[in-house]
Amino acid sequence: TQLLEQSPQFLSIQEGENLTVYCNSSSVFSSLQWYRQEPGEGPVLLVTVVTGGEVKKLKRLTFQFGDARKDSSLHITAAQPGDTGLYLCAAQDSGGGADGLTFGKGTHLIIQP
Amino acid sequence: KAGVTQTPRYLIKTRGQQVTLSCSPISGHRSVSWYQQTPGQGLQFLFEYFSETQRNKGNFPGRFSGRQFSNSRSEMNVSTLELGDSALYLCASSLVRGNSLYEQYFGPGTRLTVT
Repeated sequence: TQLLEQSPQFLSIQEGENLTVYCNSSSVFSSLQWYRQEPGEGPVLLVTVVTGGEVKKLKRLTFQFGDARKDSSLHITAAQPGDTGLYLCAAQDSGGGADGLTFGKGTHLIIQP
Repeated sequence: KAGVTQTPRYLIKTRGQQVTLSCSPISGHRSVSWYQQTPGQGLQFLFEYFSETQRNKGNFPGRFSGRQFSNSRSEMNVSTLELGDSALYLCASSLVRGNSLYEQYFGPGTRLTVT
């Protein structure tokens, strides 16, 4: 079972600022997903990245998968209060087996108006 | 298309009791996974069912069990509840099986409090 390290654990910034959160592992991923979870709700899938070096954009969110498929980052431009939430990365191991996803512990993001 | 539904949303139980949680996946999704989420440990995989068979199990004691019905609905059961079982229990359904793209769609969770 691989370990996913997310950083920072907590981040509080002002509306309009940019930010980047990270997801790292010593293992190679076959795919990696980012989720956002709001209080009292389940995680919502934002994106899946599969190819090393892949970059995906979702409005103001940019997701990057490392060339070696061991790390990923999420960059938010001009953060808004609606971006507040717990951002989780999750991965399936490179064996592509039937194991459930392994989740990082997440980054708690607060965007202050 | 309706999302994943979980019932009940909130539950309070006493130590030593047992509890059953229910999950209805997205229509057409045959894989259902269960996770436990706590502030200290984050999201931890419990088990996954596909076509009424448990495919894989996480590192939880035997007090945690589950099953899946022919309509893909799933239940999980926790017997002899302990205070440490207090958590948000999340169910997720998935369309694909045996594929590296293991995208999961989560329900809102059941908040279990053990007193």
